[in-house]
Amino acid sequence: KNQVEQSPQSLIILEGKNCTLQCNYTVSPFSNLRWYKQDTGRGPVSLTIMTFSENTKSNGRYTATLDADTKQSSLHITASQLSDSASYICVVPSNSGYALNFGKGTSLLVTP
Amino acid sequence: DVKVTQSSRYLVKRTGEKVFLECVQDMDHENMFWYRQDPGLGLRLIYFSYDVKMKEKGDIPEGYSVSREKKERFSLILESASTNQTSMYLCASRGSGSSEQYFGPGTRLTVT
Repeated sequence: KNQVEQSPQSLIILEGKNCTLQCNYTVSPFSNLRWYKQDTGRGPVSLTIMTFSENTKSNGRYTATLDADTKQSSLHITASQLSDSASYICVVPSNSGYALNFGKGTSLLVTP
Repeated sequence: DVKVTQSSRYLVKRTGEKVFLECVQDMDHENMFWYRQDPGLGLRLIYFSYDVKMKEKGDIPEGYSVSREKKERFSLILESASTNQTSMYLCASRGSGSSEQYFGPGTRLTVT
């Protein structure tokens, strides 16, 4: 069973609108959670990392939240742009130290 | 900036051919990884290496082998390519003490 679940699977929004992507995890013990952005045909790039003690972190128009009690994270995108069209992947390291648990990603399409 | 490069962006091979995918990183990272990414399945770990000449199986190693003769280079080998190995292959590297993996641009392999 996948230990990182993302929703929705895909999302279409109009340019300028906001959206929120969700990530639920069951990985334990928990060390951190990363959000990656993957443009079509490219490798994923880290957007932000959330550690156990952090609740909210912003990176420009991207704001990530973490609730370690409910094991949920969200990525909020404000005033979306066409360049935000991508797949957003939630990743939590496994307790093995080497492996990562990947969500299947949310595919976001921003339309004019 | 960390740079991870992969030898080919697109590759077309015939069933039964031996295929080499090369990955080079320039940040002296100890850890290197090979993933495949398929629609609806997300990223799955094939093999990883935590040191020169060291390798560990990931979640789906069948049909693949790897080689790490130098610290900066990690090769993925398909001994006899099959159509079910048609996929996007992503290489990544990570330094010790960090959870962030830096990904290459990917190689889209088609086996006909």
